[in-house]
Amino acid sequence: KNEVEQSPQNLTAQEGEFITINCSYSVGISALHWLQQHPGGGIVSLFMLSSGKKKHGRLIATINIQEKHSSLHITASHPRDSAVYICAVIGYAGKSTFGDGTTLTVKP
Amino acid sequence: DAGVIQSPRHEVTEMGQEVTLRCKPISGHNSLFWYRQTMMRGLELLIYFNNNVPIDDSGMPEDRFSAKMPNASFSTLKIQPSEPRDSAVYFCASRRGQQGQLMRWNNEQFFGPGTRLTVL
Repeated sequence: KNEVEQSPQNLTAQEGEFITINCSYSVGISALHWLQQHPGGGIVSLFMLSSGKKKHGRLIATINIQEKHSSLHITASHPRDSAVYICAVIGYAGKSTFGDGTTLTVKP
Repeated sequence: DAGVIQSPRHEVTEMGQEVTLRCKPISGHNSLFWYRQTMMRGLELLIYFNNNVPIDDSGMPEDRFSAKMPNASFSTLKIQPSEPRDSAVYFCASRRGQQGQLMRWNNEQFFGPGTRLTVL
């Protein structure tokens, strides 16, 4: 079993839908990182969080340390949100472990 | 700031050749990471440095891989000899490696554009 599990693996949505991507982990962490990778390959940091909730535009990330679970939400999804979303946990020594990613396709 | 700079962006080489990938982290960042991404295995951490010192190289596949960070503004990842199974995208990332009061790593990593390596 991987230390970091993401679900779903693939997600197809219609434009405007509310989207949730989940990340569960099994180890103690210092922080959790949500990343976005577009088809061109570049990786962009979305959120880094160690407790509670963060919001940036249409994106919201939450984390529950006790349950070892984080969610990434996208409100009013748009085709430009189509990308791979990757969850990474950062251990106490600063090392990152990645989930396998969730491929999101938003259709117009 | 120009962000994390990697070179080359693309490299095509023949099996057995030496390959050197280069990374310039963001100025002021004192943690540097090398990752490899393949379709089969996703993103994998190869090695990371704090203050130019290698902290964890357990992800380095085998002795053919080596990484150095001679100073705070430059790192190399070398593969010698290269093999077709080394074909992947190699990312470098940097972070201002600061632990907060609760010993948490509070700062995000910034990724370079990656080097797409093809070994024929």
